[in-house]
Amino acid sequence: QVQLVQSGAEVMKPGASVKVSCKVSGDTVTALSMHWVRQAPGKGLEWLGGFDPVERERVYAQEFQGRVTMTEDTSTDTAYMELNSLRSEDTAMYFCVTGAAPDSFDFWGQGTMVTVSS
Amino acid sequence: DIQMTQSPSSLSASVGDRVTITCRASQGIVNYLAWFQQKPGKAPKSLIYAATNLQSGVPSRFSGGGSGTDFTLSISNLQPEDFATYYCQQYNRYPITFGQGTRLEIK
Repeated sequence: QVQLVQSGAEVMKPGASVKVSCKVSGDTVTALSMHWVRQAPGKGLEWLGGFDPVERERVYAQEFQGRVTMTEDTSTDTAYMELNSLRSEDTAMYFCVTGAAPDSFDFWGQGTMVTVSS
Repeated sequence: DIQMTQSPSSLSASVGDRVTITCRASQGIVNYLAWFQQKPGKAPKSLIYAATNLQSGVPSRFSGGGSGTDFTLSISNLQPEDFATYYCQQYNRYPITFGQGTRLEIK
């Protein structure tokens, strides 16, 4: 059973960058197609991007193109999501998520709260 | 982008009732449709994938239907632990998109 454990809450200033980690156990990070989803307080789910297993490349939501970078460290089986030029609207819970099949969202991290405030 | 529209946005029901939530895609997505349940302060939980397939461990009172553009999530014999928010999601085409959510409350 895959388990995902994320890094702790962050409080950031506007304009700063944040990097959230997602440690994989039960499989290797390279065997999984990792995605990232966020949820602003009281709002719905929003996909930021993930790994396309068919084209074998990362795909990002248009809204975040140029501002988000998703990477992996195969030596520690950890995935990362970095978001730059933070603004108050980026205040949200950020989740890493993956699954047994391509683009399936079976396993979720516990979430990392990112608060952007001056 | 494919827009996913859920209805209703909120729903009140009693323990033991049967409820149905609908999800409509702005274009055909075959059966690349998933349903999630989310409780306050928790990560979403996968209930159904490929429109009709129940995830392991999910009670059989949950069922999914539909294909193309119109989908349903039905819950029969509602239990107290079922009161939560439900989201549909399409994964036929990037960007992956979610419905706005349906809040299921106790009457």
